Amino acid sequence: EDKVVQSPLSLVVHEGDTVTLNCSYEVTNFRSLLWYKQEKKAPTFLFMLTSSGIEKKSGRLSSILDKKELFSILNITATQTGDSAIYLCAVEGYNNNDMRFGAGTRLTVKP
Amino acid sequence: KAGVTQTPRYLIKTRGQQVTLSCSPISGHRSVSWYQQTPGQGLQFLFEYFSETQRNKGNFPGRFSGRQFSNSRSEMNVSTLELGDSALYLCASSFYLGRQGSGETQYFGPGTRLLVL
Repeated sequence: EDKVVQSPLSLVVHEGDTVTLNCSYEVTNFRSLLWYKQEKKAPTFLFMLTSSGIEKKSGRLSSILDKKELFSILNITATQTGDSAIYLCAVEGYNNNDMRFGAGTRLTVKP
Repeated sequence: KAGVTQTPRYLIKTRGQQVTLSCSPISGHRSVSWYQQTPGQGLQFLFEYFSETQRNKGNFPGRFSGRQFSNSRSEMNVSTLELGDSALYLCASSFYLGRQGSGETQYFGPGTRLLVL
C-alpha cells in the first residue's frame, strides 16, 4: 500500500536555527514528490522533485530527493518566525492518479 | 487576476443531511481539484475535473461526488453526512490537468470549513 511518512511531527526552534524535515515514501511507480507549506488554510507549493540528487533551492529553503532510499528532506536555514507553518509532503505515482499526503510537520519558530 | 474562490466559507450541518460546496477557479483555468483536510488524516485528494469530466479520483466513498460546469466552476456534493466529514475542503485550480507532477502549478482557494453535528 502506498504511504508517505513525515518526521518529526512537530518541531520547535528559535530564529536563526536550521531545520531539516524528512519525508519517506512507498509508492508504486513513483512519478514525483512535492513539498507544500500550509500556514492558515490553503497550502502553497514549494518544490516538485522528480530526479535523485538534484537539489532544488528557493531562498533559504532547499530540498533534495533520494529515489534509492525513498526519502526527501526539506531544509530551512536561518529560520524566521514567518516560517512557522505545517510542511506537507505529497507523492504521486504513475499507476494511480491521486496524491498521497503525509501527516505534515508542524514547525514553530520562536523569536 | 482574482484567485480561486470558494463558497460558503463556513457551514454547519447535521448528520444525514447533504451539502454542496462551490469553487470558482482562476479565470482561464480548466482544471479543478478537490481536497479534504482533517487533523487526523491530513490532506487527502478527492477528485479532479477537467473540461467538465472527472479525470482522477481519490479513495473516498460514493457519498462524495462532484461536477464541473462549462465555465469551469465546480461543485462538490456530500450526501448523508457523517460526523467524520467535518473538515476543511480545499479546491485548487490549474490551467491544465492539475497536479504538480504534471508540471502545472496549482492555486488553492481559502477552503470551506464544514462542521457536521
